[in-house]
Amino acid sequence: EAGVTQFPSHSVIEKGQTVTLRCDPISGHDNLYWYRRVMGKEIKFLLHFVKESKQDESGMPNNRFLAERTGGTYSTLKVQPAELEDSGVYFCASSFTGNTIYFGEGSWLTVV
Amino acid sequence: AQSVTQLGSHVSVSEGALVLLRCNYSSSVPPYLFWYVQYPNQGLQLLLKYTTGATLVKGINGFEAEFKKSETSFHLTKPSAHMSDAAEYFCAVSPSPNDYKLSFGAGTTVTVRA
Repeated sequence: EAGVTQFPSHSVIEKGQTVTLRCDPISGHDNLYWYRRVMGKEIKFLLHFVKESKQDESGMPNNRFLAERTGGTYSTLKVQPAELEDSGVYFCASSFTGNTIYFGEGSWLTVV
Repeated sequence: AQSVTQLGSHVSVSEGALVLLRCNYSSSVPPYLFWYVQYPNQGLQLLLKYTTGATLVKGINGFEAEFKKSETSFHLTKPSAHMSDAAEYFCAVSPSPNDYKLSFGAGTTVTVRA
């Protein structure tokens, strides 16, 4: 069974550009989460989808970040326009409700 | 509000020696506690979790952790370190067993000396 898949694994973009990160959860998992770890800081919760609905987006840092989960399958996280402080690792995770959460390998974003 | 403090950002142990990683939490509700590991170039993997019941929790790869409410701690141990244990370890807390709005500690990097 495939795990949580994230794309791209690494991305280098210039300040002001747009980047879209994609996450494919484990098949059948209703819950999908985004977390990020900026350099030198803790891993922080960004938001939680249940199917296609945003259950909790309290961790989204500002309106430059937009997450979607059309059809309740894969999710995208768009950063527009990217700033230097957005550099870090973006983790996606998924789970059945009440069960173990599985993390992807992360998408490394560098904004220069 | 919940938070986690991991004491020591780096720990170096000899192969075969005890591994002890410290985690203290702060929580206004009964906590649900987790330890995750991230091996180089891999994602976060659950080592073990405490929800309710037995306070000594056994996980994968020989790790275990003990929930001590009086000390607000959830320290991770392994009796004998192996080279393959070199990784970064994260303690995390959530408000319920079904809520994965996790609050993570800063992480502890473990190196194992031959």
